[in-house]
Amino acid sequence: DAGVTQSPTHLIKTRGQQVTLRCSPKSGHDTVSWYQQALGQGPQFIFQYYEEEERQRGNFPDRFSGHQFPNYSSELNVNALLLGDSALYLCASSLVWGNSPLHFGNGTRLTVT
Amino acid sequence: QQQVKQSPQSLIVQKGGISIINCAYENTAFDYFPWYQQFPGKGPALLIAIRPDVSEKKEGRFTISFNKSAKQFSLHIMDSQPGDSATYFCAACPETSGSRLTFGEGTQLTVNP
Repeated sequence: DAGVTQSPTHLIKTRGQQVTLRCSPKSGHDTVSWYQQALGQGPQFIFQYYEEEERQRGNFPDRFSGHQFPNYSSELNVNALLLGDSALYLCASSLVWGNSPLHFGNGTRLTVT
Repeated sequence: QQQVKQSPQSLIVQKGGISIINCAYENTAFDYFPWYQQFPGKGPALLIAIRPDVSEKKEGRFTISFNKSAKQFSLHIMDSQPGDSATYFCAACPETSGSRLTFGEGTQLTVNP
């Protein structure tokens, strides 16, 4: 049973560029959430997708956008990259109903130079 | 009101000792409190979680104590082992918003052999 998988594992981009990160949820899960984890800090909630729509959003600018596909996989897009966007981006999946805990992937390490 | 404050920032214990990590929250809407364990290069993994209808939950060597009136909860690791060396995060959210976790800043635990 595959867990949450993310790609790529590492990425280096230049300030001002755009980036797309990908996530496949744990088998059987229908909800995907994205978190940003800066070095030495706890993860911060970016947004949640369910039924291909953004359902909840944290305190992140519109440069951060996402998408969920019919197979429940998801993408996180960040436009106009800033140096401060350098972080570990974590994808988590769960079931929308019931007391389903979040399962996290191992993240994508984004470095903006 | 969304913060979860975690202490200590780092903790060193001897093998066989008890590790104690504390968290405090402000938002009274929080009613789901998980703890996550994160190893370097990996995503957070759910360790144990509690809801406010109980004051304590134990799973193996891990125990959560919960004080609703004080808005505090703590993780106790009994018989700490070198393999427990990791970063631990407390988190909280309203149960109706299970994907939108607010994380603490993390505690880096080192268990010396």
